[in-house]
Amino acid sequence: DAGVIQSPRHEVTEMGQEVTLRCKPISGHDYLFWYRQTMMRGLELLIYFNNNVPIDDSGMPEDRFSAKMPNASFSTLKIQPSEPRDSAVYFCASQGIGEAFFGQGTRLTVV
Amino acid sequence: KQEVTQIPAALSVPEGENLVLNCSFTDSAIYNLQWFRQDPGKGLTSLLLIQSSQREQTSGRLNASLDKSSGRSTLYIAASQPGDSATYLCAVLEYGNKLVFGAGTILRVKS
Repeated sequence: DAGVIQSPRHEVTEMGQEVTLRCKPISGHDYLFWYRQTMMRGLELLIYFNNNVPIDDSGMPEDRFSAKMPNASFSTLKIQPSEPRDSAVYFCASQGIGEAFFGQGTRLTVV
Repeated sequence: KQEVTQIPAALSVPEGENLVLNCSFTDSAIYNLQWFRQDPGKGLTSLLLIQSSQREQTSGRLNASLDKSSGRSTLYIAASQPGDSATYLCAVLEYGNKLVFGAGTILRVKS
């Protein structure tokens, strides 16, 4: 398995634009997590899914953020409209029984 | 609300030293504890996973211990090398499958 795959690796966008981040979890993993990492706040859990169903989205900062998991092999995190304070590295992770595995992250810069 | 604290925040040691990184958590109702490594600009790599029923896990020069009742874990690195320089993150998996991270310890091993 190629591990958790995220795309794009880097995204630079203008304030007000819509941003969509993508994640392909490891096949067979039941859980998928979206995290945001900044210097100031460290790693923050935004939302996680179990068997494609959102379980806890209490970490989603605002209504501008939304996440979907239409099937077991794909998830998206959308920010609309984006703001400069959304600039961060966004990680996706998946977990089966035991360890959680992380993707390489998407570095988002909103200018 | 679960809080995970890592001490020290940063550590600089000469090559060859043995060192200990500390992690504490406020709610002992955890499923497991995982130690990760993060290199600059990269994702998180899982190092060790300790189930709540276990006391320690070892992998090469790394040894992680868990004292669930006191809410503590340590990561012991033997004979440190410059290649060990990275940020080390501790995370607890709560019942309900929520992975909560500490802020990390930035380790620098000087040659």
